[in-house]
Amino acid sequence: GEQVEQRPPHLSVREGDSAVITCTYTDPNSYYFFWYKQEPGASLQLLMKVFSSTEINEGQGFTVLLNKKDKRLSLNLTAAHPGDSAAYFCAVRDTNAYKVIFGKGTHLHVLP
Amino acid sequence: EAAVTQSPRNKVAVTGGKVTLSCNQTNNHNNMYWYRQDTGHGLRLIHYSYGAGSTEKGDIPDGYKASRPSQENFSLILELATPSQTSVYFCASGPTYNNQAPLFGEGTRLSVL
Repeated sequence: GEQVEQRPPHLSVREGDSAVITCTYTDPNSYYFFWYKQEPGASLQLLMKVFSSTEINEGQGFTVLLNKKDKRLSLNLTAAHPGDSAAYFCAVRDTNAYKVIFGKGTHLHVLP
Repeated sequence: EAAVTQSPRNKVAVTGGKVTLSCNQTNNHNNMYWYRQDTGHGLRLIHYSYGAGSTEKGDIPDGYKASRPSQENFSLILELATPSQTSVYFCASGPTYNNQAPLFGEGTRLSVL
């Protein structure tokens, strides 16, 4: 079945710096991809979703790139601020459309 | 407003006891999921369902059962709880064939002593 590897597990950056989190997946037929943010003690909140083509989606200070050829998904925080400190998870919906598999997460610390 | 509600929010159980975690969604989603979250493992899929009456094994189903009696409700059952099942459990609901992401409940913190 689908396997998702997320790197790095921990990331510390200075305020204003960029931060990049990357996920690779194994099933070439996967077609829906998601990024979630989880603050300490809280549930998961959807950050961004991206679909079955190479594309860039931009949100509030975030850029997501999907490269289906390489089976790689990345989240780029363009100018991190302390409020971005949280755990981030990528998720992939597999080909049977039911299962959603998560990466192990990246704990991001943004230092002032 | 779309919502996924879990109960209880916190639970302390004894080893060998039976534990039932409940989840209710008002989103009219076909799919529902149970995950557990542990440090170093992220979220791991225990069971999922694609509609009332269906339950499917996820990646770590051993020691867990699931029940989906209706579109809205999905339960996770630990028949004989063990300390290794101490964790935070999340329920989620999601559609099948469009681009909406699963929505998560607030989580249940389970401690098995």
